[in-house]
Amino acid sequence: EAGVTQSPTHLIKTRGQQVTLRCSPISGHTSVYWYQQALGLGLQFLLWYDEGEERNRGNFPPRFSGRQFPNYSSELNVNALELEDSALYLCASSYSQDQPQHFGDGTRLSIL
Amino acid sequence: DQQVKQNSPSLSVQEGRISILNCDYTNSMFDYFLWYKKYPAEGPTFLISISSIKDKNEDGRFTVFLNKSAKHLSLHIVPSQPGDSAVYFCAASARGGSNYKLTFGKGTLLTVNP
Repeated sequence: EAGVTQSPTHLIKTRGQQVTLRCSPISGHTSVYWYQQALGLGLQFLLWYDEGEERNRGNFPPRFSGRQFPNYSSELNVNALELEDSALYLCASSYSQDQPQHFGDGTRLSIL
Repeated sequence: DQQVKQNSPSLSVQEGRISILNCDYTNSMFDYFLWYKKYPAEGPTFLISISSIKDKNEDGRFTVFLNKSAKHLSLHIVPSQPGDSAVYFCAASARGGSNYKLTFGKGTLLTVNP
């Protein structure tokens, strides 16, 4: 069974630019979650998508947004990049709230 | 407000001995708890979970204990192996609602010495 896949693995951007990160969930999983792991802050919940709808959002500004496609893959968009957006962005998927979330290896985003 | 706390940033044990990783939580609505292991440059890997209706769950060398009255859970690894050296994250959730999410602790770095 293929795991959660994320692309790209690394990305370098400058302040003010926009970025799109991509995630393909495990086959059969309908829920996709996005987390940010910034240095020293642990994993912070960003967004939850299920059946194409945004179900919950963490304490992040509106310039963090995303969507889920009919095949359950997902994109995370970040506009007007700031230096503090430098982090590892992790995507996870699950069958349901009663099942564990499984993570991809993340996208390392560096803002110069 | 840190709802899930792992108070030990690091732990060092000898190969073959028991590793005990601890986690405390404050939100009484949490009803599902998980442990993840993370190697550098990889995403977190799910290890074991426990529902609030249980107080113990075992899977091979890994056992998770839940003490609801103390709002405390622990992960026991017996016997510890050098390949267990990684950062371990505790996570918790309150299932069944529209605000479902995983809340993570900051992690404990486990080093198992040969």
